[in-house]
Amino acid sequence: GAGVSQSPSNKVTEKGKDVELRCDPISGHTALYWYRQSLGQGLEFLIYFQGNSAPDKSGLPSDRFSAERTGGSVSTLTIQRTQQEDSAVYLCASSLGGGGGNQPQHFGDGTRLSIL
Amino acid sequence: AQKITQTQPGMFVQEKEAVTLDCTYDTSDPSYGLFWYKQPSSGEMIFLIYQGSYDQQNATEGRYSLNFQKARKSANLVISASQLGDSAMYFCAMREGAGGTSYGKLTFGQGTILTVHP
Repeated sequence: GAGVSQSPSNKVTEKGKDVELRCDPISGHTALYWYRQSLGQGLEFLIYFQGNSAPDKSGLPSDRFSAERTGGSVSTLTIQRTQQEDSAVYLCASSLGGGGGNQPQHFGDGTRLSIL
Repeated sequence: AQKITQTQPGMFVQEKEAVTLDCTYDTSDPSYGLFWYKQPSSGEMIFLIYQGSYDQQNATEGRYSLNFQKARKSANLVISASQLGDSAMYFCAMREGAGGTSYGKLTFGQGTILTVHP
């Protein structure tokens, strides 16, 4: 399809394990964003990529969280030593350009992460 | 202070009627953009409509329109002729700045659950 693709759609893991979440943005979209959606916190920004660079990592909640983007396309969000409070839906979005402007962000279906 | 406030946790509307979902925002940046997204129970976030802070006219997209009152810092979404498929969570979001350090990230409100009754 032509939309943002995220995998896996669901992930259940034990506390303390590492997880990797993948995002494949819309072709040609240079800007890529990760958000987290949880009942208690709503929708929170995590990190922004422009190309392969991440000029804004201000939303990452701790150093257990990291992300990379390669080839200006696919991005991976890694959570190390998962904790129960990491349980949430992780959403990826992409847009034609970052910064200002009226370009909307197009979202994937998210990865539902459950930490046992 | 909350940057985006949606004061209606839930709203009900009869099919074919119009409904207004409220959104107020707080920013000192003269350049900003306001977005509305729909999230059905299936979970995907669907972009509905955009209003820029310098736009002179209220945005419209099909059955969706945005009642933008800049002085009051409100950007209410109006859905006309509601349909059963409109039942979903609706989020108001703001992008601050014209670029630079804002990077276009969105700040979201808590959302409003809309239920359309037949």
